[in-house]
Amino acid sequence: AQSVAQPEDQVNVAEGNPLTVKCTYSVSGNPYLFWYVQYPNRGLQFLLKYITGDNLVKGSYGFEAEFNKSQTSFHLKKPSALVSDSALYFCAVRVGGNNRLAFGKGNQVVVIP
Amino acid sequence: DTGVSQDPRHKITKRGQNVTFRCDPISEHNRLYWYRQTLGQGPEFLTYFQNEAQLEKSRLLSDRFSAERPKGSFSTLEIQRTEQGDSAMYLCASSLTPGSYEQYFGPGTRLTVT
Repeated sequence: AQSVAQPEDQVNVAEGNPLTVKCTYSVSGNPYLFWYVQYPNRGLQFLLKYITGDNLVKGSYGFEAEFNKSQTSFHLKKPSALVSDSALYFCAVRVGGNNRLAFGKGNQVVVIP
Repeated sequence: DTGVSQDPRHKITKRGQNVTFRCDPISEHNRLYWYRQTLGQGPEFLTYFQNEAQLEKSRLLSDRFSAERPKGSFSTLEIQRTEQGDSAMYLCASSLTPGSYEQYFGPGTRLTVT
């Protein structure tokens, strides 16, 4: 079954330091991978996607993600974290021809001032 | 582009009552999805529409759940005889095909069953 795993529950990082949120995937065939962010009491906001092409994908708000086929990973990164980046981050994978998404359990990111 | 909207944002109901939620997708988006999210978990797929046709339903969608998208625009999700286990955030998302694969989510409807 197509799935993603987010191994960490919470990521704490000091403001200005690099931020990494980890995601590994398990799919048959070529993976279509996504990152979303969720702020309290709000829906999910799309950050970026990997479909094909360059392994380094750039997205919204200065985020980027690196697709690594050999390690089956799709880690989200930001060079310099902001306090406003504190939120819940979800990795997701496309499942089936109807393009429904299967999500990881999410990572709470806390950026410490 | 006004984004995906959902109504109501919050709903408190007593066990056994019926509830209905509405989702208005981004205009011209032909694909519409419903997900359910419980505390501490990622969203779980419930059902999918392409235009007005409901093409996929999850095993999570019991007989008490029904969804419609009568004119291929807005969609409704109804839960009959609500149970406490139905308490969750119900999220709607839309996307446009062909071309993009990302889905755009609404703010969600938080259901509390007492």
